[in-house]
Amino acid sequence: AQSVTQLDSHVSVSEGTPVLLRCNYSSSYSPSLFWYVQHPNKGLQLLLKYTSAATLVKGINGFEAEFKKSETSFHLTKPSAHMSDAAEYFCVVSDLGGFQKLVFGTGTRLLVSP
Amino acid sequence: DGGITQSPKYLFRKEGQNVTLSCEQNLNHDAMYWYRQDPGQGLRLIYYSQIVNDFQKGDIAEGYSVSREKKESFPLTVTSAQKNPTAFYLCASSIVGGMNTEAFFGQGTRLTVV
Repeated sequence: AQSVTQLDSHVSVSEGTPVLLRCNYSSSYSPSLFWYVQHPNKGLQLLLKYTSAATLVKGINGFEAEFKKSETSFHLTKPSAHMSDAAEYFCVVSDLGGFQKLVFGTGTRLLVSP
Repeated sequence: DGGITQSPKYLFRKEGQNVTLSCEQNLNHDAMYWYRQDPGQGLRLIYYSQIVNDFQKGDIAEGYSVSREKKESFPLTVTSAQKNPTAFYLCASSIVGGMNTEAFFGQGTRLTVV
């Protein structure tokens, strides 16, 4: 079975500084990986996805993630944090099977201070 | 605009009552999902459906029931058998495809037992 581990439950940054949210995955196959963002009491919005086309994936709002097979990692980064980036972020791996089933990490809450 | 609509946004349930959460999508997606979200636990799959009149249990189906009579609709009933129903419930949909397809989420329903 596939799994994903988000290494930090909370990350605090100052506005204008870089963001790094860490994610490691376990998979027997070449996985598809996603990052979703959730603002308080809202649904999840797709930030970006890796589908084996390119190891560096660019998403919305200036976020990007790099797939590193040797490290089984898919860390999310942003060069400069904005106050509106404060939210919860989920790393997600696509499970293999007869259907599309997503396996979620436990989430990382990003706090951005002025 | 295409999307997923969940209603109500907030729902209160008395002990012993069944309640039904609504989920409607106009994305023409075949697959629909229900997830439960608890603090610090990420999202857990309750039920999913790939086609009308068919659905499968997810990881935490006990105390829940669903129906899929129309492609656009996938209501979730939280029964009195669910001992700890207070949570944030998210509905999602996707095409039925390979690993690369992402899910689209509704805005969620927060259920509280009073």
